Amino acid sequence: GQSLEQPSEVTAVEGAIVQINCTYQTSGFYGLSWYQQHDGGAPTFLSYNALDGLEETGRFSSFLSRSDSYGYLLLQELQMKDSASYFCAGRFKAAGNKLTFGGGTRVLVKP
Amino acid sequence: DVKVTQSSRYLVKRTGEKVFLECVQDMDHENMFWYRQDPGLGLRLIYFSYDVKMKEKGDIPEGYSVSREKKERFSLILESASTNQTSMYLCASSFGWIGTSGGAWTYNEQFFGPGTRLTVL
Repeated sequence: GQSLEQPSEVTAVEGAIVQINCTYQTSGFYGLSWYQQHDGGAPTFLSYNALDGLEETGRFSSFLSRSDSYGYLLLQELQMKDSASYFCAGRFKAAGNKLTFGGGTRVLVKP
Repeated sequence: DVKVTQSSRYLVKRTGEKVFLECVQDMDHENMFWYRQDPGLGLRLIYFSYDVKMKEKGDIPEGYSVSREKKERFSLILESASTNQTSMYLCASSFGWIGTSGGAWTYNEQFFGPGTRLTVL
């Protein structure tokens, strides 16, 4: 089956840049999405990449390299409110609109 | 705003009890999903539904069943709760039909409910 790997935890200070990598199995891969989840909250959609390259949305950017079977989420100008868990989720041809989630990366922003 | 609501935020049940978790969405979404979330394991799909009365197993369906009698409502049932079913349960919904995904560039964002923290004693 499909699986996605991402680091379990990252710590950084306010104003810094954090990159969360996500590697996936290539078989039937369609695209990679990212979700943010604050403690006690619901996951919310951040971005989706189907093509190689960088997609920028404000302070957050998402990148995909299909040839290397990996993507990343880039968090810039970190703020305290960015402390949350971030999940990559792969979309695969065989699975239609279903997603396969990675284990999540907990980002802790320190003052 | 899209709203996905779940019947309870916290639930405590005893081993062997039958447990019902309800999810309601107000956006006329075709797809509805039930996940369980455990530390380090991410979100794992239990069951999903792409239409009324239609359901398919996800990655971890054992010990669970589902019901979708109306488009806006998707229920998760634990027939006989066990302690290893203690977890956070998340419901989600999205547009689009399972199996007619429209290709890689067609993405239907999933909208999640607030979750139900279930403890089985």
